[in-house]
Amino acid sequence: TQLLEQSPQFLSIQEGENLTVYCNSSSVFSSLQWYRQEPGEGPVLLVTVVTGGEVKKLKRLTFQFGDARKDSSLHITAAQPGDTGLYLCAGRNRDDKIIFGKGTRLHILP
Amino acid sequence: DTAVSQTPKYLVTQMGNDKSIKCEQNLGHDTMYWYKQDSKKFLKIMFSYNNKELIINETVPNRFSPKSPDKAHLNLHINSLELGDSAVYFCASSQGTGRTFFGQGTRLTVV
Repeated sequence: TQLLEQSPQFLSIQEGENLTVYCNSSSVFSSLQWYRQEPGEGPVLLVTVVTGGEVKKLKRLTFQFGDARKDSSLHITAAQPGDTGLYLCAGRNRDDKIIFGKGTRLHILP
Repeated sequence: DTAVSQTPKYLVTQMGNDKSIKCEQNLGHDTMYWYKQDSKKFLKIMFSYNNKELIINETVPNRFSPKSPDKAHLNLHINSLELGDSAVYFCASSQGTGRTFFGQGTRLTVV
Protein backbone atom coordinates (compact mmCIF):
# COMPACT_ATOMS: atom_id res chain seq x y z
CA THR A 1 0.00 0.00 0.00
CA GLN A 2 1.43 3.36 -1.00
CA LEU A 3 1.59 5.86 1.80
CA LEU A 4 2.30 9.54 2.00
CA GLU A 5 3.61 10.57 5.38
CA GLN A 6 3.15 14.17 6.35
CA SER A 7 5.02 15.87 9.13
CA PRO A 8 4.42 17.47 11.44
CA GLN A 9 0.82 16.47 12.09
CA PHE A 10 0.19 19.62 14.10
CA LEU A 11 2.02 22.92 14.12
CA SER A 12 1.21 26.03 16.10
CA ILE A 13 3.49 29.02 15.61
CA GLN A 14 3.49 32.76 16.04
CA GLU A 15 2.62 35.14 13.25
CA GLY A 16 5.69 36.17 11.32
CA GLU A 17 7.60 32.93 11.78
CA ASN A 18 8.67 30.62 8.98
CA LEU A 19 7.69 26.96 8.76
CA THR A 20 8.14 23.90 6.60
CA VAL A 21 5.77 20.98 6.14
CA TYR A 22 7.04 17.72 4.69
CA CYS A 23 5.42 15.00 2.62
CA ASN A 24 7.39 11.78 2.21
CA SER A 25 6.91 8.42 0.55
CA SER A 26 8.94 5.41 -0.50
CA SER A 27 7.04 5.42 -3.80
CA VAL A 28 7.48 7.54 -6.90
CA PHE A 29 4.63 9.77 -7.98
CA SER A 30 4.04 11.20 -11.43
CA SER A 31 2.82 14.40 -9.82
CA LEU A 32 2.15 15.77 -6.40
CA GLN A 33 -0.38 18.30 -5.26
CA TRP A 34 -0.80 20.43 -2.17
CA TYR A 35 -4.26 21.36 -0.92
CA ARG A 36 -5.50 23.57 1.88
CA GLN A 37 -8.73 22.74 3.63
CA GLU A 38 -10.62 25.03 5.97
CA PRO A 39 -13.24 23.82 8.46
CA GLY A 40 -16.52 22.90 6.81
CA GLU A 41 -15.08 23.17 3.32
CA GLY A 42 -13.59 20.85 0.75
CA PRO A 43 -9.86 20.86 -0.06
CA VAL A 44 -8.73 23.60 -2.41
CA LEU A 45 -5.79 23.01 -4.71
CA LEU A 46 -2.75 25.22 -4.09
CA VAL A 47 -0.22 23.79 -6.52
CA THR A 48 0.74 20.81 -8.66
CA VAL A 49 4.38 19.83 -9.12
CA VAL A 50 5.35 17.39 -11.83
CA THR A 51 9.09 17.47 -12.49
CA GLY A 52 11.68 16.15 -10.03
CA GLY A 53 13.39 19.08 -8.34
CA GLU A 54 10.66 21.49 -9.40
CA VAL A 55 10.12 24.55 -7.23
CA LYS A 56 6.95 26.64 -7.40
CA LYS A 57 6.14 29.79 -5.51
CA LEU A 58 2.74 31.12 -4.57
CA LYS A 59 3.28 34.44 -2.78
CA ARG A 60 4.78 33.45 0.59
CA LEU A 61 4.41 29.72 -0.09
CA THR A 62 7.24 27.75 -1.73
CA PHE A 63 6.64 24.19 -2.89
CA GLN A 64 9.37 21.78 -3.87
CA PHE A 65 9.17 18.33 -5.43
CA GLY A 66 12.03 16.01 -4.56
CA ASP A 67 14.51 15.04 -7.25
CA ALA A 68 13.33 11.43 -7.11
CA ARG A 69 9.65 12.49 -7.05
CA LYS A 70 9.10 10.68 -3.75
CA ASP A 71 8.82 13.66 -1.45
CA SER A 72 7.78 17.27 -1.32
CA SER A 73 7.93 20.22 1.01
CA LEU A 74 5.86 23.32 1.60
CA HIS A 75 7.64 26.30 3.10
CA ILE A 76 5.71 29.32 4.36
CA THR A 77 7.56 32.55 4.97
CA ALA A 78 6.30 35.07 7.53
CA ALA A 79 3.20 33.07 8.40
CA GLN A 80 -0.05 34.95 8.86
CA PRO A 81 -3.26 34.00 10.69
CA GLY A 82 -4.92 33.56 7.30
CA ASP A 83 -2.56 30.64 6.63
CA THR A 84 -4.30 28.63 9.35
CA GLY A 85 -5.82 25.43 8.01
CA LEU A 86 -5.28 21.79 7.17
CA TYR A 87 -2.61 21.24 4.52
CA LEU A 88 -2.85 18.02 2.53
CA CYS A 89 -0.38 16.59 0.06
CA ALA A 90 -1.62 14.17 -2.56
CA GLY A 91 0.42 12.11 -5.01
CA ARG A 92 -0.71 10.56 -8.27
CA ASN A 93 0.73 7.08 -8.72
CA ARG A 94 1.37 4.95 -11.79
CA ASP A 95 -2.23 3.69 -11.74
CA ASP A 96 -3.47 7.29 -11.86
CA LYS A 97 -4.80 6.97 -8.33
CA ILE A 98 -4.46 9.94 -6.02
CA ILE A 99 -3.11 9.07 -2.58
CA PHE A 100 -3.58 11.64 0.17
CA GLY A 101 -1.38 12.24 3.17
CA LYS A 102 -3.01 12.55 6.57
CA GLY A 103 -2.54 16.27 6.65
CA THR A 104 -0.78 18.90 8.71
CA ARG A 105 -2.99 21.05 10.88
CA LEU A 106 -1.43 24.49 10.98
CA HIS A 107 -2.42 27.19 13.44
CA ILE A 108 -0.91 30.65 13.26
CA LEU A 109 -1.20 32.66 16.43
CA PRO A 110 -1.68 36.42 16.03
CA ASP B 1 -22.13 29.28 -9.21
CA THR B 2 -20.85 26.27 -7.30
CA ALA B 3 -18.65 24.04 -9.45
CA VAL B 4 -19.20 20.83 -7.47
CA SER B 5 -22.28 20.77 -5.30
CA GLN B 6 -23.38 17.99 -3.02
CA THR B 7 -26.47 17.61 -0.88
CA PRO B 8 -27.22 17.43 1.91
CA LYS B 9 -24.44 19.23 3.76
CA TYR B 10 -25.38 17.55 7.03
CA LEU B 11 -27.04 14.18 7.51
CA VAL B 12 -27.91 12.64 10.87
CA THR B 13 -29.53 9.23 10.78
CA GLN B 14 -29.96 6.08 12.80
CA MET B 15 -28.08 2.87 12.41
CA GLY B 16 -29.63 0.51 9.90
CA ASN B 17 -31.15 3.23 7.74
CA ASP B 18 -30.49 3.71 4.03
CA LYS B 19 -29.45 7.14 2.81
CA SER B 20 -28.25 8.86 -0.35
CA ILE B 21 -25.93 11.77 -1.00
CA LYS B 22 -26.22 13.59 -4.30
CA CYS B 23 -23.46 15.26 -6.28
CA GLU B 24 -23.52 17.41 -9.37
CA GLN B 25 -20.74 19.20 -11.22
CA ASN B 26 -21.23 21.94 -13.79
CA LEU B 27 -17.64 21.99 -15.04
CA GLY B 28 -18.13 19.58 -17.92
CA HIS B 29 -15.62 17.19 -16.36
CA ASP B 30 -15.53 13.56 -17.42
CA THR B 31 -14.36 12.08 -14.11
CA MET B 32 -16.08 12.18 -10.74
CA TYR B 33 -15.03 10.81 -7.37
CA TRP B 34 -16.25 10.06 -3.89
CA TYR B 35 -13.85 10.48 -1.00
CA LYS B 36 -14.30 9.74 2.70
CA GLN B 37 -12.60 11.90 5.32
CA ASP B 38 -12.51 10.39 8.77
CA SER B 39 -12.38 12.14 12.13
CA LYS B 40 -8.60 12.37 11.90
CA LYS B 41 -8.94 14.23 8.58
CA PHE B 42 -7.56 11.36 6.53
CA LEU B 43 -8.95 11.68 3.02
CA LYS B 44 -9.35 8.41 1.17
CA ILE B 45 -10.78 7.71 -2.26
CA MET B 46 -13.77 5.40 -2.44
CA PHE B 47 -14.88 5.45 -6.06
CA SER B 48 -14.00 7.05 -9.35
CA TYR B 49 -16.22 7.23 -12.42
CA ASN B 50 -15.12 8.24 -15.89
CA ASN B 51 -17.87 8.99 -18.40
CA LYS B 52 -20.39 7.16 -16.21
CA GLU B 53 -18.21 4.06 -15.93
CA LEU B 54 -16.67 2.84 -12.70
CA ILE B 55 -12.87 2.92 -12.92
CA ILE B 56 -11.76 2.88 -9.29
CA ASN B 57 -13.47 0.93 -6.54
CA GLU B 58 -11.36 0.86 -3.42
CA THR B 59 -11.98 -1.60 -0.62
CA VAL B 60 -15.35 -0.27 0.38
CA PRO B 61 -18.22 -2.34 1.85
CA ASN B 62 -20.78 -3.24 -0.77
CA ARG B 63 -23.33 -1.34 1.32
CA PHE B 64 -21.94 1.67 -0.56
CA SER B 65 -23.22 1.88 -4.10
CA PRO B 66 -22.40 4.80 -6.40
CA LYS B 67 -24.69 5.63 -9.27
CA SER B 68 -23.88 7.88 -12.19
CA PRO B 69 -26.98 8.68 -14.25
CA ASP B 70 -24.92 11.00 -16.47
CA LYS B 71 -21.47 12.58 -16.62
CA ALA B 72 -22.50 15.50 -14.43
CA HIS B 73 -23.90 13.45 -11.56
CA LEU B 74 -22.49 10.87 -9.19
CA ASN B 75 -24.72 9.89 -6.30
CA LEU B 76 -23.74 7.73 -3.35
CA HIS B 77 -26.24 5.39 -1.78
CA ILE B 78 -25.48 3.73 1.53
CA ASN B 79 -27.47 0.79 2.86
CA SER B 80 -27.74 -0.41 6.45
CA LEU B 81 -25.75 2.46 7.88
CA GLU B 82 -23.28 1.66 10.67
CA LEU B 83 -21.70 3.85 13.33
CA GLY B 84 -18.34 3.57 11.57
CA ASP B 85 -19.80 5.19 8.48
CA SER B 86 -19.84 8.52 10.29
CA ALA B 87 -17.47 10.80 8.41
CA VAL B 88 -17.39 13.66 5.93
CA TYR B 89 -17.97 12.49 2.37
CA PHE B 90 -16.56 14.61 -0.44
CA CYS B 91 -17.56 14.52 -4.04
CA ALA B 92 -14.99 15.75 -6.55
CA SER B 93 -14.50 16.03 -10.28
CA SER B 94 -11.71 16.48 -12.80
CA GLN B 95 -11.15 16.47 -16.52
CA GLY B 96 -9.04 13.37 -16.91
CA THR B 97 -5.97 13.73 -14.71
CA GLY B 98 -6.31 17.49 -14.50
CA ARG B 99 -7.05 19.59 -11.47
CA THR B 100 -9.53 18.05 -9.04
CA PHE B 101 -12.30 20.23 -7.67
CA PHE B 102 -13.96 19.23 -4.42
CA GLY B 103 -17.47 19.83 -3.16
CA GLN B 104 -18.06 21.25 0.30
CA GLY B 105 -18.63 17.85 1.84
CA THR B 106 -21.50 16.03 3.51
CA ARG B 107 -21.08 15.40 7.21
CA LEU B 108 -22.76 12.09 7.93
CA THR B 109 -23.46 11.19 11.54
CA VAL B 110 -24.87 7.78 12.33
CA VAL B 111 -26.41 7.45 15.78
